[in-house]
Amino acid sequence: SAVISQKPSRDICQRGTSLTIQCQVDSQVTMMFWYRQQPGQSLTLIATANQGSEATYESGFVIDKFPISRPNLTFSTLTVSNMSPEDSSIYLCSVVLSLYGYTFGSGTRLTVV
Amino acid sequence: LAKTTQPISMDSYEGQEVNITCSHNNIATNDYITWYQQFPSQGPRFIIQGYKTKVTNEVASLFIPADRKSSTLSLPRVSLSDTAVYYCLVGETGGGADGLTFGKGTHLIIQP
Repeated sequence: SAVISQKPSRDICQRGTSLTIQCQVDSQVTMMFWYRQQPGQSLTLIATANQGSEATYESGFVIDKFPISRPNLTFSTLTVSNMSPEDSSIYLCSVVLSLYGYTFGSGTRLTVV
Repeated sequence: LAKTTQPISMDSYEGQEVNITCSHNNIATNDYITWYQQFPSQGPRFIIQGYKTKVTNEVASLFIPADRKSSTLSLPRVSLSDTAVYYCLVGETGGGADGLTFGKGTHLIIQP
């Protein structure tokens, strides 16, 4: 099965700074999805990234806070901007690689201090 | 997407069969039922998907009654490594145009 790589796997950041998370897929995909998983919680979809167009954000998430790039069919980045402790979460990217399910990266564990 | 309801947590023992039931009363005609498994510090992993009756793969079985308003994930002879969170999701399969809406999931704890 295809592989999704996320970088970094974890980071500790100062409040007010920004972190860019990278997601690399070893096959071409049309859509890439970004999720947030707050401590002890389920996953929440942040946005959908389609190559060549602006990302589509879910309610409660805005581009200024979570800018997304999708320069080609195998790569995307999510930036968490002007971070606060409330942004401490696991951030995951996901793609559809078959008819039967979504494949997820292993996530980026972000701690904001 | 149809809302799903699962038990928050379940406990069992090694070697037992575990059945996790998910309610989805508002499931639509085009919706499939998909289960994912998530270990700590990992992303969710696809387990099984079905539309009706029974589906079985090397990992689990999925039982869906005729009215499709619920489904049961069955894990045979569980081991300690099956301790994880299990998510039931309902929606149209494939396509990849929409992201997934996760419920709270079921925290399954397997004891020796």
